[in-house]
Amino acid sequence: SAVISQKPSRDICQRGTSLTIQCQVDSQVTMMFWYRQQPGQSLTLIATANQGSEATYESGFVIDKFPISRPNLTFSTLTVSNMSPEDSSIYLCSVAEQESKGYTFGSGTRLTVV
Amino acid sequence: SQQGEEDPQALSIQEGENATMNCSYKTSINNLQWYRQNSGRGLVHLILIRSNEREKHSGRLRVTLDTSKKSSSLLITASRAADTASYFCATKGNQFYFGTGTSLTVIP
Repeated sequence: SAVISQKPSRDICQRGTSLTIQCQVDSQVTMMFWYRQQPGQSLTLIATANQGSEATYESGFVIDKFPISRPNLTFSTLTVSNMSPEDSSIYLCSVAEQESKGYTFGSGTRLTVV
Repeated sequence: SQQGEEDPQALSIQEGENATMNCSYKTSINNLQWYRQNSGRGLVHLILIRSNEREKHSGRLRVTLDTSKKSSSLLITASRAADTASYFCATKGNQFYFGTGTSLTVIP
C-alpha cells in the first residue's frame, strides 16, 4: 500500500493566519482526498484533488477558504486560510489505490486555532 | 445525512472479551469498509466487504453485511488492550461516507 507523509503533525495558530498542510505519497496516485475531522466527530470530505485540474469541493467548503494545490501525482497541499477557532480540527489526506485495499490515510494534522 | 450511523457510540470491555460494533447506512453501496483510528491520528484500513458478500474474516476480525437491512457489524474476538481505538465504518457507493464511529476501550 501507498505510504503518505503528512506534515505538520500538529500546530497552534493565531486566528486570522493561514496554515498549509502537506502530503507526500511514495507512489503516483490519480486522486487525493482531503478530510476534516472536528473534535469527537467523524470525517467530512473537504475536496478531491486531481493533478492538473482544480480541486472539486464538497458542499460547505470553498476554494477561498481551503485552497488546494496538486502540482504532481505524488504531492498535494491544503491551506486553511484566515483561520478562526471553528477551524480547530484534525485534517487528513487520503489516497485510494486498488479497491480491495481501501483508502490509505496520512497521519493527520491536529490544528488548534487560538 | 448519508453517513452511516454506528452503535454503540462507546464500548468498554475487559481484555479477552469480544467486541461487537454495528453500522447502519441509508443508500445502495458497492462495498463497506471498516477503519481504525488511534487517538486522533490517521485511519488504518481494516477490512473491506463487497455488496455481494455476507461475511468476511481477517485474523481476529469478523465482518458481516446485510444489504437488505443496510447494516454491517464488526466483531473483534479475544480483545487486547492494544485494540483500544475508534472504529469507523465507511460506505462506498456513488460517494464515500464515513460513519459516526465507535470508541472502544479494552481494559487490561
